[in-house]
Amino acid sequence: GNSVTQMEGPVTLSEEAFLTINCTYTATGYPSLFWYVQYPGEGLQLLLKATKADDKGSNKGFEATYRKETTSFHLEKGSVQVSDSAVYFCALSGRAGGTSYGKLTFGQGTILTVHP
Amino acid sequence: DADVTQTPRNRITKTGKRIMLECSQTKGHDRMYWYRQDPGLGLRLIYYSFDVKDINKGEISDGYSVSRQAQAKFSLSLESAIPNQTALYFCATSGGTSGSYEQYFGPGTRLTVT
Repeated sequence: GNSVTQMEGPVTLSEEAFLTINCTYTATGYPSLFWYVQYPGEGLQLLLKATKADDKGSNKGFEATYRKETTSFHLEKGSVQVSDSAVYFCALSGRAGGTSYGKLTFGQGTILTVHP
Repeated sequence: DADVTQTPRNRITKTGKRIMLECSQTKGHDRMYWYRQDPGLGLRLIYYSFDVKDINKGEISDGYSVSRQAQAKFSLSLESAIPNQTALYFCATSGGTSGSYEQYFGPGTRLTVT
């Protein structure tokens, strides 16, 4: 079945530091890939997505590139802010015709804390 | 107004009680989902529905049931609550024509079973 593995957390950074959160996946076919963010006390929000190999998703200074050859979708940001403190989830969804069509498989989440 | 709403936002109940969590959406999506979130485990799918007449079990459906009363409403019931069902529960919706299947989440219901 499908699975998503994220780097162990928590991650603690100083403001303006570079961020990488690793995500690798196992899936049949060509899934769509997502990063979701959960701020304290809130639900999950879609941060960015990529639907095919070599696509780069980007939003709010965050980027991730769909790497089929390494089955990865690492999240990066060049300069983090205190307001980026949250839990980040990598996820995938299978395509139409497959058993995982329309369903998301999540990684376990990575807690990010950014200090001033 | 929020596109996906959940009620109640917080609930404390006793072991053995029946409880219902409700979800409503104004996004016009046909697909709806219920997840539970536990620390360190990410989100796990309980049930999902691709339209009003279609209900499917997810990976952890034991002890739960659902009802899709209308396209916009999807309820989750715990028939006889037990302490290990203490968790944060999220409803989500998906649809549209983008083809990339992203989901939109409600704010969550924090359930505590004592």
